[in-house]
Amino acid sequence: SQTIHQWPATLVQPVGSPLSLECTVEGTSNPNLYWYRQAAGRGLQLLFYSVGIGQISSEVPQNLSASRPQDRQFILSSKKLLLSDSGFYLCAWRRQTYEQYFGPGTRLTVT
Amino acid sequence: AQKITQTQPGMFVQEKEAVTLDCTYDTSDQSYGLFWYKQPSSGEMIFLIYQGSYDEQNATEGRYSLNFQKARKSANLVISASQLGDSAMYFCAMREAYTGTASKLTFGTGTRLQVTL
Repeated sequence: SQTIHQWPATLVQPVGSPLSLECTVEGTSNPNLYWYRQAAGRGLQLLFYSVGIGQISSEVPQNLSASRPQDRQFILSSKKLLLSDSGFYLCAWRRQTYEQYFGPGTRLTVT
Repeated sequence: AQKITQTQPGMFVQEKEAVTLDCTYDTSDQSYGLFWYKQPSSGEMIFLIYQGSYDEQNATEGRYSLNFQKARKSANLVISASQLGDSAMYFCAMREAYTGTASKLTFGTGTRLQVTL
């Protein structure tokens, strides 16, 4: 069966510090991968998606970036965090069916 | 652009009763899909049910059913025999028409369901 992991689970970072969030998927190959952000009490906003290694599409202009160095690994990064980057970050995968399956999420607080 | 509207910020239902969560959508695509996800307090998004725009019958998954009314552009979630564990946020989402690339989802703002004794 497929499993998706995210780490860290929670993170508190000062403004201006770098960020690296990691997502890995087990039990499948060549999945589509997605990064979403959820602000407090809001719906999900798609940030990036990837259909293959090294292929990244950005949905929202911002100071975040994403990379896919391996087939089942998706990384969300920032060189300098802003207060507005605080939120709940969710990684998701999709293979052949339409539904996306989500990881447990990372709660990021920028102070 | 696609848009999902969930007008009920919060709903209460008694245990063992049925509840309907509303979702309306706007799209110019002919081919699209609608989803419902559950988000418990732990934060993980749990897939519940999917309805394709060309599916003739309403989707059902256990106690969940999707009341799809294409002409009204609505895709309401019906939960039968509510349980205390159903208390959570519920999100309606829509995928854009499949173009051979990643199938992106647009989410509504969610409805918080509270099941009471």
